[in-house]
Amino acid sequence: EAQVTQNPRYLITVTGKKLTVTCSQNMNHEYMSWYRQDPGLGLRQIYYSMNVEVTDKGDVPEGYKVSRKEKRNFPLILESPSPNQTSLYFCASSARGLHNEQFFGPGTRLTVL
Amino acid sequence: KNEVEQSPQNLTAQEGEFITINCSYSVGISALHWLQQHPGGGIVSLFMLSSGKKKHGRLIATINIQEKHSSLHITASHPRDSAVYICAPHAYNTDKLIFGTGTRLQVFP
Repeated sequence: EAQVTQNPRYLITVTGKKLTVTCSQNMNHEYMSWYRQDPGLGLRQIYYSMNVEVTDKGDVPEGYKVSRKEKRNFPLILESPSPNQTSLYFCASSARGLHNEQFFGPGTRLTVL
Repeated sequence: KNEVEQSPQNLTAQEGEFITINCSYSVGISALHWLQQHPGGGIVSLFMLSSGKKKHGRLIATINIQEKHSSLHITASHPRDSAVYICAPHAYNTDKLIFGTGTRLQVFP
């Protein structure tokens, strides 16, 4: 089944404890992206990747890192999480970019205490 | 002013009603996506269009590039259509989507 998976789905952590949210797709997609969703603000892009080893900042990249060493994986790294990073995170992928259908992962609800 | 405005923000309907959700944007775009987010949180792509009209089952999406406006219509609405509908234009010459804050639709039996 074609899908985007994210892990973990739920995470409660404390300020400053490094964490990684994994994202994997099995559709051989070139484009992958991370978004955060906050009440009243909608979805905002954190980072995106056009292909392996090619990443770029979105609108809200501060406090986040990403890597794209393999085509299928696009992990989101929070080196020192802070409470303002409490949010619902979505990974998405598409064949080549934003002219193609976007496939979203199930979301990761992160709480930073 | 937001680059993407959706209206209405909230919408309630009786089962069977015809629904229209509007999206206006202020930037030049290459294409526009309509997304559906169910109460459980998952997001599904409904349409991607750059001109004219597309139809999938009871859903119809239209776009007028000159007027910078798109509409999503649901014919014969059903309680399972209850969700948040999000308009997301792809800004021209960028690799980014600009998201509206969504229209929350509730359809009652």
